[in-house]
Amino acid sequence: ILNVEQSPQSLHVQEGDSTNFTCSFPSSNFYALHWYRWETAKSPEALFVMTLNGDEKKKGRISATLNTKEGYSYLYIKGSQPEDSATYLCALSNDYKLSFGAGTTVTVRA
Amino acid sequence: NAGVTQTPKFQVLKTGQSMTLQCAQDMNHEYMSWYRQDPGMGLRLIHYSVGAGITDQGEVPNGYNVSRSTTEDFPLRLLSAAPSQTSVYFCASSYRGVDTQYFGPGTRLTVL
Repeated sequence: ILNVEQSPQSLHVQEGDSTNFTCSFPSSNFYALHWYRWETAKSPEALFVMTLNGDEKKKGRISATLNTKEGYSYLYIKGSQPEDSATYLCALSNDYKLSFGAGTTVTVRA
Repeated sequence: NAGVTQTPKFQVLKTGQSMTLQCAQDMNHEYMSWYRQDPGMGLRLIHYSVGAGITDQGEVPNGYNVSRSTTEDFPLRLLSAAPSQTSVYFCASSYRGVDTQYFGPGTRLTVL
């Protein structure tokens, strides 16, 4: 099981503001890093999969970067909207297993 | 495609009872897995399967059994339910274990 830490545990952001949060890992011995978006009462949905140091992915106003050398990934939300309110999960995959962090819960205030 | 389906959506059990949570996928995925979600702990892997007839333990396997007789189905059996197994259970599938996982809608289980 791979160690995955996410911070902060939760954050509040005003509508229209941008925000970012972190997924950190002590070891880069994994195949891929995944970001999932998890809305209340729904199931997690995949946002990004990154495998290489320096990878950057973007989907609309959400983007992510991966730095395997320093052991972190950032997820950015630009111009937050109420529909961005969700828990964002980071996971590492290796040897047929996914290890999840506890998530960062984002609440966007109108 | 229905994707990943799970039944039931909700279940209440008494301590000591047994039951099976059903999971099915119609995407021809080889890899299937079961997770439990508890507050503050994220998703924890219970069991997984890399193909029909092959299963293995995850992070928290105690008290659970699985089997994989077909590519489509991956049921999770609780042998003798305990209050510590109160949780939300998610089934997921993918082409390979390292790929993006597609999650089912979840089963909320309460053990009294």
